[in-house]
Amino acid sequence: AQSVAQPEDQVNVAEGNPLTVKCTYSVSGNPYLFWYVQYPNRGLQFLLKYITGDNLVKGSYGFEAEFNKSQTSFHLKKPSALVSDSALYFCAAIANQGGKLIFGQGTELSVKP
Amino acid sequence: DSGVTQTPKHLITATGQRVTLRCSPRSGDLSVYWYQQSLDQGLQFLIQYYNGEERAKGNILERFSAQQFPDLHSELNLSSLELGDSALYFCASSTRTGTDSPLHFGNGTRLTVT
Repeated sequence: AQSVAQPEDQVNVAEGNPLTVKCTYSVSGNPYLFWYVQYPNRGLQFLLKYITGDNLVKGSYGFEAEFNKSQTSFHLKKPSALVSDSALYFCAAIANQGGKLIFGQGTELSVKP
Repeated sequence: DSGVTQTPKHLITATGQRVTLRCSPRSGDLSVYWYQQSLDQGLQFLIQYYNGEERAKGNILERFSAQQFPDLHSELNLSSLELGDSALYFCASSTRTGTDSPLHFGNGTRLTVT
């Protein structure tokens, strides 16, 4: 079965420090990968996606993600965290030949001043 | 603002009742998706429509049904409601059914079944 895993339910980071939110996937073929962010009482917002090409993808709000095919990972990163980055982050994957978009269970990011 | 509109924002109803959730997709988007989000189940895909036709089905109960109308808005009907149906229901839309199109989510309808 195809799946997306976010091994950490919660990540705690101090403001100004780099952050990483981990994601691994098990999807057939060459998947398309996405990161979304959800703020309280809001819908998910698209952050960035990997389709093909450069393994480092840049997205909104200074976030970037690194695709690693050998490790089947797509970790979300930011060089310097802000308190306002505190939110729920979802990784998602879909097979490039079609199918359903599969979401991970989400990681709660908490950035403290 | 994602451009996806969901109504109502909140809904409180009793067990056994039926409700209808409404979604207007972003202008120009042909695909509509419905998701259910709850604390214990996470984000669950329910169903997808593309230009009025059902395209994919996920973990949607038989008590639930949906449709997409010619003007592209969509409705999710939930019947014989149970306490466990209490959740946040999201609608999302995308430009096409292509796999590389990001989804644009509405702010959801919070359903409480008492």
